[in-house]
Amino acid sequence: KNEVEQSPQNLTAQEGEFITINCSYSVGISALHWLQQHPGGGIVSLFMLSSGKKKHGRLIATINIQEKHSSLHITASHPRDSAVYICAVRLSGSARQLTFGSGTQLTVLP
Amino acid sequence: GAGVSQTPSNKVTEKGKYVELRCDPISGHTALYWYRQSLGQGPEFLIYFQGTGAADDSGLPNDRFFAVRPEGSVSTLKIQRTERGDSAMYLCASSQGDTQYFGPGTRLTVL
Repeated sequence: KNEVEQSPQNLTAQEGEFITINCSYSVGISALHWLQQHPGGGIVSLFMLSSGKKKHGRLIATINIQEKHSSLHITASHPRDSAVYICAVRLSGSARQLTFGSGTQLTVLP
Repeated sequence: GAGVSQTPSNKVTEKGKYVELRCDPISGHTALYWYRQSLGQGPEFLIYFQGTGAADDSGLPNDRFFAVRPEGSVSTLKIQRTERGDSAMYLCASSQGDTQYFGPGTRLTVL
């Protein structure tokens, strides 16, 4: 079983829909990251969370430490939001590297 | 300012050959990470440098893989006797805090 699990693997939505991507983890963490990867490989960091909720534009990320669960929400989705969204955690302790989920492929149709 | 750069962007090689992949981190970033991403999967950790030294190399799959960062800036990932299973996107990231900044990756194809 992977330490970081994402769902769904693939998601297709119509423009304007509210989107939720989920991430569960089975290990102790010091932080959780949401990343966006566009075709060709480039990865951009969207959020880093250790508790609570963060909002940036149409993106909202929440984390529940007790339940070891995080969600990424996109409001008023747009075709340009189409990308792979990846959840990654930094394990508790001295580790600095990230452990990644397998990603969610989001396609927003016009 | 300049982000993380990686060269080459694509590398095609034959089984058994030696390859070097280069990463130029953001200036001043002391931490540098190498990850490998297979198609349809999330990246997997290979090695992490703090300055010139490898702080954690537990993700290197075997002794054919080696990485250096001699002056604490540019890093080179070296793969000896390449195998078809080494084909993947190799990603580099650098940080000076908690946020990692990723390069565009090198797509390695071993024929």
